[in-house]
Amino acid sequence: GAGVSQSPSNKVTEKGKDVELRCDPISGHTALYWYRQSLGQGLEFLIYFQGNSAPDKSGLPSDRFSAERTGGSVSTLTIQRTQQEDSAVYLCASSLAVDGYEQYFGPGTRLTVT
Amino acid sequence: QKEVEQNSGPLSVPEGAIASLNCTYSDRVSQSFFWYRQYSGKSPELIMSIYSNGDKEDGRFTAQLNKASQYVSLLIRDSQPSDSATYLCAVKGGGGTSYGKLTFGQGTILTVHP
Repeated sequence: GAGVSQSPSNKVTEKGKDVELRCDPISGHTALYWYRQSLGQGLEFLIYFQGNSAPDKSGLPSDRFSAERTGGSVSTLTIQRTQQEDSAVYLCASSLAVDGYEQYFGPGTRLTVT
Repeated sequence: QKEVEQNSGPLSVPEGAIASLNCTYSDRVSQSFFWYRQYSGKSPELIMSIYSNGDKEDGRFTAQLNKASQYVSLLIRDSQPSDSATYLCAVKGGGGTSYGKLTFGQGTILTVHP
């Protein structure tokens, strides 16, 4: 079946602009996760959703970052007033449920802030 | 001390040899452990999960878990050039609302030379 999909695959934006990144999980997966991967920081957790609720937002770097999930499916990660340090690959993953299930990653969105 | 530490690498092995990748973690209550493979420019791909002490084999891959020592490893038998990638150890668990997130090691670069 179809895997996790993300859009756009690449995004170049100017410093100070807002961006939205989209994630479409594997059909039937109730849990959805956002991670960020950059050269200096490795792969780091941002937020996860169980259904439409976000039990853990502890990884969001600042209040410029927000995420939502509607209908238990698609999720959007929004970064306001982008900064150069936001440049990274943003990865989305999904799992059947939170408890005891593997997470499968999408292809990622490469964000470059100029 | 980092939460998840991997042998720093890079690791270079000849084709046909056994590659051994190691990982230690600091959170004693962690319950689930994963190995991901990441090719350059691609997203992480799940190759093994392990939840109980002991060995788990899947084809040429064997994951080993020792919760008392807080240690997890991945053995790749009959290594092939196509196994050349970065291998990421990921640990899930702990308690509370952070239960869903994966914490990753910094990765070990494996090169299999013909």
